[in-house]
This record gives sequence, structure tokens and C-alpha cells, in this order.
Amino acid sequence: AQTVTQSQPEMSVQEAETVTLSCTYDTSESNYYLFWYKQPPSRQMILVIRQEAYKQQNATENRFSVNFQKAAKSFSLKISDSQLGDTAMYFCAFMKRNTGNQFYFGTGTSLTVIP
Amino acid sequence: GAGVSQTPSNKVTEKGKYVELRCDPISGHTALYWYRQSLGQGPEFLIYFQGTGAADDSGLPNDRFFAVRPEGSVSTLKIQRTERGDSAVYLCASSPGGGRDNEQFFGPGTRLTVL
Repeated sequence: AQTVTQSQPEMSVQEAETVTLSCTYDTSESNYYLFWYKQPPSRQMILVIRQEAYKQQNATENRFSVNFQKAAKSFSLKISDSQLGDTAMYFCAFMKRNTGNQFYFGTGTSLTVIP
Repeated sequence: GAGVSQTPSNKVTEKGKYVELRCDPISGHTALYWYRQSLGQGPEFLIYFQGTGAADDSGLPNDRFFAVRPEGSVSTLKIQRTERGDSAVYLCASSPGGGRDNEQFFGPGTRLTVL
């Protein structure tokens, strides 16, 4: 079974500063994807960034980047130049490649950006 | 183009009643997923359709839950004899299929409240 753990239920950051959200996962699979999703109060899950496990290079998407440590099964999200619109719940998710296709989500981190 | 839509947005029902929740995926997407998100938790997988057939229904909690996708597009999640513990946000996602199942697009969810 796959498990995803987010150990920070709540975090806050000053506007324009940088924040890092943590995620660890447990799997026996070698081929998989990892994701960070953002969920604002509207409930819409929005993809922030995606990482393929076979790629060593960390994914980046504008102000968002990840630190993917495959051996440690760690997948943290760094948000640079935080903006008020970044305030939301952030979920880390795992998906096995080629089989199942279902996502396994963590319990989320509530991020508040303070003006 | 239009994203994934779900109706109703909110549903309040009484314990023991039957409910249907509808999902309209993105046009052309062959894969469709249902997740349940309880308060303070991440989404949990319920069922996955590839075309008209349920490819994986291992996440359905019991036989009161059933889902259909008769024409390979719209899907309906059906819950019989609702219980208070069924109260949650039910999320639907779709993906293009054809090896792109890591690209899941989520709808805004239906918040079900069982009194």
C-alpha cells in the first residue's frame, strides 16, 4: 500500500517570502509520479507541480519548485515570493505508473500568506 | 474549454435516503475518477472508469455505494441508505487516457451533508 504523510497541518509565511512544505511517502514501487495540488476555499483542486520519479532533475513551475529525494522518499514544495493568492490547502499526492491510476493524497497543509 | 463540472454543488439529505451525484468530465476524456474528501482529510479514491467500465472499484467503502458511466462520458455516483458518516465532499476528476492518466483534472466537488 502507498501512504503519503504531510506533517505540517498549518503554516504561515509573510508575503514575498519563501516557504517550504514537507511531504514524505512510502512505497515499494520504483516507477511513479508525485504531485502537489492546491485547494482554495472554492474546493477546486488545482495542479501546482508534477514530478516523474525516474527523472532526477527537480521540477519547477514559475515560483514553485520541488526538492525530490527518491532514496529518502521525500518530496517538498518550495514557494518563492509568496503571494496572497497562494493561501490555500496544499496536498501532496502519489500515483503509481501504469497500474491503478488512482491518486493517494496526504492530509494537507493549510498555508496562510500574511500581508 | 469547459472543465469538469459536478452537480449539485451542495446536497443536504436525511439519514436513510438515496442520493445521486453527477459528474460531467472534460469532453473527450476517457478516464474518470471519484474521490471522497472528509473534513480535514485529503481526498480518498473511490472508483475509476476507463470508458464505460469500472476498471477499479476497490475504494468503494461498501455496497451502498455504486457508480455508473453508461455512455463513457457523464458519471453518476449513487449512495443508498445514506448515513451521517457519508457526509463529505465528493470530487470527480477526468483524464485524457492514452498514457496521460497522470494528468487528472478535478471538478469543484459536491458537498453532501447527511442529517
